[in-house]
Amino acid sequence: AQSVTQLGSHVSVSEGALVLLRCNYSSSVPPYLFWYVQYPNQGLQLLLKYTTGATLVKGINGFEAEFKKSETSFHLTKPSAHMSDAAEYFCAVSPSGGTSYGKLTFGQGTILTVHP
Amino acid sequence: DTGVSQDPRHKITKRGQNVTFRCDPISEHNRLYWYRQTLGQGPEFLTYFQNEAQLEKSRLLSDRFSAERPKGSFSTLEIQRTEQGDSAMYLCASSLGGGREETQYFGPGTRLLVL
Repeated sequence: AQSVTQLGSHVSVSEGALVLLRCNYSSSVPPYLFWYVQYPNQGLQLLLKYTTGATLVKGINGFEAEFKKSETSFHLTKPSAHMSDAAEYFCAVSPSGGTSYGKLTFGQGTILTVHP
Repeated sequence: DTGVSQDPRHKITKRGQNVTFRCDPISEHNRLYWYRQTLGQGPEFLTYFQNEAQLEKSRLLSDRFSAERPKGSFSTLEIQRTEQGDSAMYLCASSLGGGREETQYFGPGTRLLVL
């Protein structure tokens, strides 16, 4: 079974500061990894994903994440926070094979607050 | 570009009533997923379809829940004899093909409140 742990249910940063949202996963085989963002009263939007290849993945809105197999981590970063980044962020994994591939398992989410 | 749409967006019902939600995926997407999201939690997988075939159901999907995708296009999720514990956001997502290039596109969700 796969699982995802997001460290910190709430993260608060100042505008212009570094954003770091932590995600660790548990999986018997390397999974596919995703970060989604959810704005209030909206569905989830994909920020970025890792499947194979380069372990540093760049996404939309200036976000990037690095897959570290040895640490089973996929932390999300952004060099400089904007007010518009305030939202809830979800890390997710899916199997990379088998009949359940595509089925997402989500972490509990991290609410990002950006202060002026 | 018409994304994934869900109807209704909000539903308030009394305990014991039946409710049905509809999801219209992105055109030509052959995979359709249902997730449930409770307050303060991430979405939890309920079930998914490839075309009209329902390929997997979560243990979360009790006998009161049924999902269909009769022609491989839109899908419905029905909850019979609703309980207060069914109150949640029900999210639908669709994707094309599956595999490493699969990206799931989510609808805005249907928020259910059971009184």
